[in-house]
Amino acid sequence: AQSVTQPDIHITVSEGASLELRCNYSYGATPYLFWYVQSPGQGLQLLLKYFSGDTLVQGIKGFEAEFKRSQSSFNLRKPSVHWSDAAEYFCAVGAAGTASKLTFGTGTRLQVTL
Amino acid sequence: AAGVIQSPRHLIKEKRETATLKCYPIPRHDTVYWYQQGPGQDPQFLISFYEKMQSDKGSIPDRFSAQQFSDYHSELNMSSLELGDSALYFCASSFTGGDLTDTQYFGPGTRLTVL
Repeated sequence: AQSVTQPDIHITVSEGASLELRCNYSYGATPYLFWYVQSPGQGLQLLLKYFSGDTLVQGIKGFEAEFKRSQSSFNLRKPSVHWSDAAEYFCAVGAAGTASKLTFGTGTRLQVTL
Repeated sequence: AAGVIQSPRHLIKEKRETATLKCYPIPRHDTVYWYQQGPGQDPQFLISFYEKMQSDKGSIPDRFSAQQFSDYHSELNMSSLELGDSALYFCASSFTGGDLTDTQYFGPGTRLTVL
């Protein structure tokens, strides 16, 4: 069974500071990994995804993530956080195959202080 | 770019009533997924359809049913509603194609409140 762990429930950073959100996954084969962001009461917006190839993937809004198979991790990073980045961030793992479900972590709530 | 459309956006029902949620996928997408997100929870997979056939099933109660129609839109039917069904219901769509790397794009969700 696939699972995702996001160890940090809540993180607070100052605007302009760097950010790293942790994600660890458990999956028997090569995982498909995703980061989504959710603003309060809103839908889930895809930030980036990893299927194969280069382990450092670039996403929207200046985010990037690095896949580390040896650590079963897919951490999300941003060099300089903006106040508008405050939201809930979900890491998700999916399986290869048609219409396969995503399994989400419990999310990390990011607060940005000015 | 066109996104996933869900209707209604908000729905209030009484216990034991029924509800129907609709999802219109991104044009040319052939796969639809339904997720349930309780307050302060992560989204939980309910069910998915590929080319109008059920593809995968998660923790969907027997009181719920869903289908995908010939135009690829999908409906989630919920009967005998319970207070615990109050949640945000997301639909996502993807284009499966042939490379098995379909990315799911989510709609804005339907917020269901059961009183």
